[in-house]
Amino acid sequence: GAVVSQHPSWVICKSGTSVKIECRSLDFQATTMFWYRQFPKQSLMLMATSNEGSKATYEQGVEKDKFLINHASLTLSTLTVTSAHPEDSSFYICSARSLGNTIYFGEGSWLTVV
Amino acid sequence: GENVEQHPSTLSVQEGDSAVIKCTYSDSASNYFPWYKQELGKRPQLIIDIRSNVGEKKDQRIAVTLNKTAKHFSLHITETQPEDSAVYFCAATHSGNTPLVFGKGTRLSVIA
Repeated sequence: GAVVSQHPSWVICKSGTSVKIECRSLDFQATTMFWYRQFPKQSLMLMATSNEGSKATYEQGVEKDKFLINHASLTLSTLTVTSAHPEDSSFYICSARSLGNTIYFGEGSWLTVV
Repeated sequence: GENVEQHPSTLSVQEGDSAVIKCTYSDSASNYFPWYKQELGKRPQLIIDIRSNVGEKKDQRIAVTLNKTAKHFSLHITETQPEDSAVYFCAATHSGNTPLVFGKGTRLSVIA
């Protein structure tokens, strides 16, 4: 079946630095990908919709200058957490909708900011 | 936009009993309702889904029902087993470039 791959699975970074998370659709083209954040014991909260070749659409309350999203190709979207702070520590996960309208999730990325 | 409510937030059942989790949605345009099982630190795993042209769907011990008029859908797990213990999320979306909107989740504990 279709696969969405996310990298890295785990990342630790220092406060003030930036970290990039990649989301790839391995065997289908995804014009749209979605980025979610999940804090411990909470649900998946949509951060933004990533659109290939155009600007991402951010949910209310999500800072677009802090969470940079780039969807430069039909198989790759990246989320860059800039000037990371400890409160940005979370589980970040992407998803992509295939042409058949099935939704696939990446493996998720644990970010710890120290 | 879509809003999905999920109840209960926690559920404990004895092994072999049934478990029912209920969700409501607000957007009448939503037409796809998946259920996910998530273990700690892992991606959500799709366990069953239903589309708006169907009222009920069953896959072995798992079933989902949908009431479009009332805008609610439910997950039913029969003959529960300890390995069913996990967090379950309902979600709703409609076709096109729209994201899944998740409920807050239900932590199911199956007691042996």
